[in-house]
Amino acid sequence: NAGVTQTPKFRILKIGQSMTLQCTQDMNHNYMYWYRQDPGMGLKLIYYSVGAGITDKGEVPNGYNVSRSTTEDFPLRLELAAPSQTSVYFCASRPTPGQVDTGELFFGEGSRLTVL
Amino acid sequence: AQRVTQPEKLLSVFKGAPVELKCNYSYSGSPELFWYVQYSRQRLQLLLRHISRESIKGFTADLNKGETSFHLKKPFAQEEDSAMYYCALSQSGATNKLIFGTGTLLAVQP
Repeated sequence: NAGVTQTPKFRILKIGQSMTLQCTQDMNHNYMYWYRQDPGMGLKLIYYSVGAGITDKGEVPNGYNVSRSTTEDFPLRLELAAPSQTSVYFCASRPTPGQVDTGELFFGEGSRLTVL
Repeated sequence: AQRVTQPEKLLSVFKGAPVELKCNYSYSGSPELFWYVQYSRQRLQLLLRHISRESIKGFTADLNKGETSFHLKKPFAQEEDSAMYYCALSQSGATNKLIFGTGTLLAVQP
């Protein structure tokens, strides 16, 4: 049972480049989230999804896009990378209420992105 | 607006000393609160949640609705407790989003 898997772990981008951070979970969780972690700022929610085909903006969605074509996958896309997007990105999942839900979020290991 | 405040960015204590990591929240509904921990080079993981009222690794946290606080406490700190600690508030409703505080880095000195 791998849990939440993110790739890549590290990436350096040039300004204006685009890329996709991959996230997959094998726990059949309907809820998935993308957070970014900046020093001294804690974790900010970028986008979230309550199930396949359903996504919504979080606190800091500008500059990002997501899709949720399957329950397992929730990729995060950066279209035009900017230095302000330098951060550590975390994907997380959570069972739907009705499944065994303790309220716990299960996190991936993070993806460190640097935009130069 | 819902908010989680952790006033200390860094808390440095000596091994064996008591630890209290502060967390205050603002939320109009009935709060569900958590403490998450991130050890060096590890993923963020749940430490404890207020509903379970349990002690994990010697840590406890009591929800004080009057003071809107959920401070994390441990009577005797260990070096292996050194980590980043995040307090988090779960918004009730369909989205179950978690709002995180800015985190407190606990450094336990030998």
